[in-house]
Amino acid sequence: SAVISQKPSRDICQRGTSLTIQCQVDSQVTMMFWYRQQPGQSLTLIATANQGSEATYESGFVIDKFPISRPNLTFSTLTVSNMSPEDSSIYLCSVAQGGSGANVLTFGAGSRLTVL
Amino acid sequence: QKEVEQNSGPLSVPEGAIASLNCTYSDRGSQSFFWYRQYSGKSPELIMSIYSNGDKEDGRFTAQLNKASQYVSLLIRDSQPSDSATYLCAVTGVTGGGNKLTFGTGTQLKVEL
Repeated sequence: SAVISQKPSRDICQRGTSLTIQCQVDSQVTMMFWYRQQPGQSLTLIATANQGSEATYESGFVIDKFPISRPNLTFSTLTVSNMSPEDSSIYLCSVAQGGSGANVLTFGAGSRLTVL
Repeated sequence: QKEVEQNSGPLSVPEGAIASLNCTYSDRGSQSFFWYRQYSGKSPELIMSIYSNGDKEDGRFTAQLNKASQYVSLLIRDSQPSDSATYLCAVTGVTGGGNKLTFGTGTQLKVEL
Protein backbone atom coordinates (compact mmCIF):
# COMPACT_ATOMS: atom_id res chain seq x y z
CA SER A 1 0.00 0.00 0.00
CA ALA A 2 0.98 3.61 -0.46
CA VAL A 3 3.19 5.34 2.08
CA ILE A 4 1.91 8.75 3.10
CA SER A 5 4.04 11.42 4.73
CA GLN A 6 2.14 14.16 6.46
CA LYS A 7 3.47 17.24 8.14
CA PRO A 8 3.45 18.89 10.52
CA SER A 9 2.70 16.04 12.86
CA ARG A 10 1.47 18.49 15.44
CA ASP A 11 1.32 22.21 16.01
CA ILE A 12 -0.01 24.73 18.45
CA CYS A 13 -1.55 27.73 16.75
CA GLN A 14 -2.95 31.05 17.77
CA ARG A 15 -6.53 32.01 17.12
CA GLY A 16 -6.96 33.82 13.81
CA THR A 17 -3.92 32.37 12.12
CA SER A 18 -3.79 29.84 9.29
CA LEU A 19 -1.83 26.63 8.96
CA THR A 20 -1.07 24.52 5.93
CA ILE A 21 -0.76 20.77 6.21
CA GLN A 22 1.20 18.89 3.58
CA CYS A 23 0.60 15.37 2.36
CA GLN A 24 3.12 13.51 0.19
CA VAL A 25 2.47 10.06 -1.26
CA ASP A 26 5.15 7.72 -2.55
CA SER A 27 3.11 6.78 -5.62
CA GLN A 28 0.76 8.49 -8.00
CA VAL A 29 -2.86 8.42 -6.88
CA THR A 30 -5.96 9.82 -8.46
CA MET A 31 -7.99 10.67 -5.40
CA MET A 32 -6.78 12.10 -2.11
CA PHE A 33 -9.05 12.73 0.83
CA TRP A 34 -8.82 15.03 3.81
CA TYR A 35 -10.51 13.96 7.03
CA ARG A 36 -10.93 15.60 10.38
CA GLN A 37 -11.10 13.73 13.65
CA GLN A 38 -12.16 15.87 16.57
CA PRO A 39 -11.38 14.72 20.10
CA GLY A 40 -13.29 11.57 20.94
CA GLN A 41 -15.05 11.57 17.59
CA SER A 42 -14.86 9.57 14.43
CA LEU A 43 -13.54 10.68 11.09
CA THR A 44 -15.40 13.26 9.07
CA LEU A 45 -14.59 13.80 5.42
CA ILE A 46 -13.71 17.41 4.67
CA ALA A 47 -13.08 17.19 0.94
CA THR A 48 -11.87 15.09 -1.93
CA ALA A 49 -8.90 16.42 -3.88
CA ASN A 50 -8.42 15.41 -7.49
CA GLN A 51 -5.45 16.53 -9.51
CA GLY A 52 -6.34 19.15 -12.08
CA SER A 53 -9.71 20.09 -10.70
CA GLU A 54 -11.25 21.90 -7.79
CA ALA A 55 -11.63 19.97 -4.58
CA THR A 56 -15.08 18.66 -3.74
CA TYR A 57 -16.18 19.73 -0.28
CA GLU A 58 -18.60 17.92 2.00
CA SER A 59 -21.55 19.57 3.63
CA GLY A 60 -20.41 21.89 6.37
CA PHE A 61 -16.98 22.54 4.91
CA VAL A 62 -16.17 25.45 2.60
CA ILE A 63 -13.23 26.36 0.44
CA ASP A 64 -12.62 29.69 2.15
CA LYS A 65 -12.06 27.92 5.45
CA PHE A 66 -10.26 24.83 4.14
CA PRO A 67 -8.55 25.65 0.84
CA ILE A 68 -6.95 22.64 -0.78
CA SER A 69 -4.29 22.36 -3.42
CA ARG A 70 -3.51 19.32 -5.54
CA PRO A 71 -0.70 20.31 -7.89
CA ASN A 72 0.22 16.77 -8.94
CA LEU A 73 -0.62 13.12 -8.39
CA THR A 74 1.59 12.69 -5.33
CA PHE A 75 1.01 15.83 -3.29
CA SER A 76 -1.75 17.84 -1.65
CA THR A 77 -2.11 20.53 0.94
CA LEU A 78 -4.93 21.51 3.25
CA THR A 79 -4.99 24.94 4.83
CA VAL A 80 -7.03 25.62 7.95
CA SER A 81 -7.76 29.33 7.74
CA ASN A 82 -8.57 31.85 10.43
CA MET A 83 -8.41 29.18 13.09
CA SER A 84 -10.50 29.09 16.22
CA PRO A 85 -10.32 26.68 19.16
CA GLU A 86 -13.11 24.67 17.51
CA ASP A 87 -10.63 23.76 14.77
CA SER A 88 -8.49 21.87 17.28
CA SER A 89 -8.48 18.44 15.79
CA ILE A 90 -6.47 15.78 14.04
CA TYR A 91 -6.39 16.27 10.29
CA LEU A 92 -5.73 13.17 8.23
CA CYS A 93 -4.74 12.80 4.63
CA SER A 94 -5.72 9.58 2.93
CA VAL A 95 -5.48 7.98 -0.46
CA ALA A 96 -7.56 5.36 -2.18
CA GLN A 97 -6.15 2.00 -3.05
CA GLY A 98 -7.58 -0.73 -5.15
CA GLY A 99 -8.70 -0.89 -8.73
CA SER A 100 -12.43 -1.15 -8.13
CA GLY A 101 -12.84 2.34 -6.77
CA ALA A 102 -11.88 4.79 -4.13
CA ASN A 103 -12.98 2.61 -1.29
CA VAL A 104 -9.94 1.22 0.45
CA LEU A 105 -8.17 4.02 2.24
CA THR A 106 -4.67 4.34 3.58
CA PHE A 107 -4.12 7.15 6.05
CA GLY A 108 -1.23 9.39 6.86
CA ALA A 109 -0.11 9.67 10.46
CA GLY A 110 -2.21 12.79 10.93
CA SER A 111 -1.58 16.37 11.97
CA ARG A 112 -2.71 17.22 15.48
CA LEU A 113 -3.61 20.90 15.69
CA THR A 114 -4.29 22.74 18.91
CA VAL A 115 -5.69 26.25 18.61
CA LEU A 116 -5.34 28.52 21.60
CA GLN B 1 -30.52 8.50 12.54
CA LYS B 2 -26.76 8.33 12.14
CA GLU B 3 -25.53 6.90 8.87
CA VAL B 4 -23.24 4.40 10.57
CA GLU B 5 -23.86 3.42 14.16
CA GLN B 6 -21.63 1.60 16.59
CA ASN B 7 -21.74 1.04 20.30
CA SER B 8 -19.01 3.27 21.69
CA GLY B 9 -18.08 0.81 24.43
CA PRO B 10 -15.74 0.23 26.02
CA LEU B 11 -16.15 -3.45 25.31
CA SER B 12 -14.06 -5.45 27.72
CA VAL B 13 -13.14 -9.06 27.03
CA PRO B 14 -10.65 -11.35 28.73
CA GLU B 15 -7.56 -12.44 26.87
CA GLY B 16 -8.29 -15.45 24.68
CA ALA B 17 -12.00 -14.72 24.37
CA ILE B 18 -13.97 -13.76 21.28
CA ALA B 19 -14.68 -10.07 20.85
CA SER B 20 -17.79 -9.20 18.86
CA LEU B 21 -18.11 -5.72 17.39
CA ASN B 22 -21.28 -4.58 15.70
CA CYS B 23 -22.24 -1.90 13.22
CA THR B 24 -25.47 -0.88 11.54
CA TYR B 25 -25.86 1.47 8.60
CA SER B 26 -28.74 3.42 7.17
CA ASP B 27 -27.98 3.57 3.44
CA ARG B 28 -29.54 0.44 1.97
CA GLY B 29 -27.61 0.96 -1.26
CA SER B 30 -24.22 0.73 0.44
CA GLN B 31 -21.82 -1.51 -1.43
CA SER B 32 -18.59 -1.79 0.52
CA PHE B 33 -17.90 -2.27 4.19
CA PHE B 34 -14.71 -1.92 6.14
CA TRP B 35 -13.30 -2.32 9.58
CA TYR B 36 -10.44 -0.07 10.62
CA ARG B 37 -8.42 -0.33 13.80
CA GLN B 38 -7.14 2.81 15.46
CA TYR B 39 -4.70 2.72 18.32
CA SER B 40 -4.70 5.70 20.63
CA GLY B 41 -2.83 8.58 19.02
CA LYS B 42 -2.43 6.75 15.74
CA SER B 43 -4.17 6.87 12.40
CA PRO B 44 -6.68 4.20 11.35
CA GLU B 45 -5.46 1.09 9.59
CA LEU B 46 -7.58 -1.25 7.50
CA ILE B 47 -8.03 -4.72 8.92
CA MET B 48 -10.98 -6.12 6.98
CA SER B 49 -13.12 -5.38 3.98
CA ILE B 50 -16.29 -7.18 2.93
CA TYR B 51 -18.48 -6.67 -0.09
CA SER B 52 -21.02 -9.51 -0.18
CA ASN B 53 -23.34 -11.16 2.29
CA GLY B 54 -21.86 -13.79 4.53
CA ASP B 55 -18.62 -14.27 6.37
CA LYS B 56 -15.08 -13.38 5.44
CA GLU B 57 -12.23 -14.72 7.50
CA ASP B 58 -8.67 -13.46 7.74
CA GLY B 59 -6.60 -15.01 10.48
CA ARG B 60 -8.22 -14.26 13.83
CA PHE B 61 -10.64 -11.80 12.26
CA THR B 62 -14.02 -12.59 10.72
CA ALA B 63 -16.23 -9.98 9.15
CA GLN B 64 -19.92 -10.75 8.76
CA LEU B 65 -22.28 -8.86 6.47
CA ASN B 66 -26.07 -8.97 6.29
CA LYS B 67 -27.31 -6.43 3.80
CA ALA B 68 -30.98 -7.24 4.40
CA SER B 69 -30.55 -6.29 8.04
CA GLN B 70 -28.06 -3.52 7.21
CA TYR B 71 -25.68 -5.01 9.69
CA VAL B 72 -21.97 -5.72 9.66
CA SER B 73 -19.91 -7.22 12.44
CA LEU B 74 -16.34 -8.07 13.29
CA LEU B 75 -15.34 -11.05 15.37
CA ILE B 76 -11.89 -11.27 16.87
CA ARG B 77 -10.98 -14.74 18.07
CA ASP B 78 -8.36 -15.43 20.72
CA SER B 79 -8.31 -11.76 21.67
CA GLN B 80 -4.93 -10.40 22.68
CA PRO B 81 -4.02 -7.31 24.70
CA SER B 82 -2.54 -5.92 21.48
CA ASP B 83 -6.06 -5.92 20.03
CA SER B 84 -7.01 -3.20 22.49
CA ALA B 85 -7.91 -0.27 20.25
CA THR B 86 -10.87 1.56 18.78
CA TYR B 87 -12.51 -0.25 15.88
CA LEU B 88 -14.13 1.90 13.24
CA CYS B 89 -16.82 0.61 10.92
CA ALA B 90 -16.86 2.36 7.55
CA VAL B 91 -19.36 2.13 4.73
CA THR B 92 -19.43 3.50 1.22
CA GLY B 93 -22.60 5.29 0.26
CA VAL B 94 -24.52 5.53 -2.95
CA THR B 95 -24.01 9.28 -3.10
CA GLY B 96 -20.77 10.70 -4.38
CA GLY B 97 -20.45 7.97 -6.97
CA GLY B 98 -20.00 5.30 -4.33
CA ASN B 99 -16.66 6.69 -3.31
CA LYS B 100 -17.55 8.43 -0.09
CA LEU B 101 -16.56 6.49 2.98
CA THR B 102 -18.64 7.20 6.08
CA PHE B 103 -17.24 6.18 9.43
CA GLY B 104 -19.00 5.19 12.59
CA THR B 105 -17.90 6.67 15.88
CA GLY B 106 -15.99 3.54 16.78
CA THR B 107 -16.09 0.90 19.49
CA GLN B 108 -13.34 0.89 22.05
CA LEU B 109 -12.14 -2.63 22.76
CA LYS B 110 -10.19 -3.51 25.88
CA VAL B 111 -8.65 -6.95 26.15
CA GLU B 112 -7.82 -7.68 29.74
CA LEU B 113 -5.15 -10.03 31.03
